[in-house]
Amino acid sequence: EAQVTQNPRYLITVTGKKLTVTCSQNMNHEYMSWYRQDPGLGLRQIYYSMNVEVTDKGDVPEGYKVSRKEKRNFPLILESPSPNQTSLYFCASSRWDTTQYFGPGTRLTVL
Amino acid sequence: ELKVEQNPLFLSMQEGKNYTIYCNYSTTSDRLYWYRQDPGKSLESLFVLLSNGAVKQEGRLMASLDTKARLSTLHITAAVHDLSATYFCAVHPSSGTYKYIFGTGTRLKVLA
Repeated sequence: EAQVTQNPRYLITVTGKKLTVTCSQNMNHEYMSWYRQDPGLGLRQIYYSMNVEVTDKGDVPEGYKVSRKEKRNFPLILESPSPNQTSLYFCASSRWDTTQYFGPGTRLTVL
Repeated sequence: ELKVEQNPLFLSMQEGKNYTIYCNYSTTSDRLYWYRQDPGKSLESLFVLLSNGAVKQEGRLMASLDTKARLSTLHITAAVHDLSATYFCAVHPSSGTYKYIFGTGTRLKVLA
């Protein structure tokens, strides 16, 4: 089954404790992206990747890191999480310039 | 600044009625996407509009794109309760960036 998977689905952590949210897709898509969704703000793009080893900032990259060492994986790293990063995070993938397929989401709470 | 604005933000309508959601964007773009999100769920793709004048229809939903006006519409015909969801439009600017810009979403509630 074609899908985008994210782990964990739910995470409660404390300020400053490094964490990684994994994202994997099995559709051989070139493009992958991370978004955060906050009430009243829609989805905002954090980082995206056009292919292996090619990443770029979206609109809200501060406080986040990403890497794309393999085509199928695109982890999101929070080196020192803060409460304002409490949000719902979505990973998505697509072939270039086609519709994106979204993962199930990761609900992160930073205390 | 690249902006995508949706109107209305909230929409409550009776079953059987028609309505239109508007998506205005501030940058040149030749492709626009519509997504649907059910409460507590992820986003699923509805339409991809690739050129000026493009029109796509699926069931009671029809989307159109006017790139000159920088406007897309999502028209709902004879609404049913199952259409209750949040609808997002998203734009991929054609200015050399590979970003996607999403609208803030329109929360639709169809009353039986």
